[in-house]
Amino acid sequence: DIVMTQSPDSLAVSLGERATINCKSSQSVSHISDNKNYLAWYQQKPGQPPKLLIYWASARESGVPDRFSGSGSGTDFTLTISSLQAEDVAVYYCQQYYSAPLYTFGQGTKLEIK
Amino acid sequence: VQLVESGGGLVQPGRSLRLSCTTSEFTFGDYGMSWFRQPPGKGLEWIAFIRSKAYGGTTEYAASVKGRFTISRDDSRSVAFLQMNSLRTEDTAMYYCSRARWQTILLVDHWGQGTLVTVSS
Repeated sequence: DIVMTQSPDSLAVSLGERATINCKSSQSVSHISDNKNYLAWYQQKPGQPPKLLIYWASARESGVPDRFSGSGSGTDFTLTISSLQAEDVAVYYCQQYYSAPLYTFGQGTKLEIK
Repeated sequence: VQLVESGGGLVQPGRSLRLSCTTSEFTFGDYGMSWFRQPPGKGLEWIAFIRSKAYGGTTEYAASVKGRFTISRDDSRSVAFLQMNSLRTEDTAMYYCSRARWQTILLVDHWGQGTLVTVSS
């Protein structure tokens, strides 16, 4: 199985400041066939299901604010929130779909307001 | 896109439960469907997947549930099911159904609200 590891486990950021979450996979999630990174980011607010934010490591899902961005390739990825808003308080998960349907997730990063 | 899970509840260890995922606002038969679960206060785990009929309707399972859980689908009713047998206390979790956006690239794009399964004596 591909193991996904996120850092940090929790993060406190002031409103309007940048938040950065990292994700590392135990093997590359980039397909040779299409040179795409099979990496997604989800946001989960308390009492709600996960919501897709980013796919292909950097493609923003429709309706997701542009303060959310994804970057990285191969085994190292980053989710950045450029200017934290109160509604961004949530747990964020990275997920690989390279070996789908054997999906695996990072352990989650809890984002709070400082 | 709407996905609504039902069928969760309190069940004793060793018993069975069947979850349903009723869908609408998309052509259910064209999509692969998964079940995920999330124990209270913990992370997300994929447990089962079923392909569309066009791709054979085949199924795959996580090792943690293989041989105990069965995923199925009824395209005429736009419903996916998860039959859970020989339940264990460690199966206690919120169970989510989800849709894979494309037939061959299985990005999960929509999730239901979940149904809670509690396994306890």
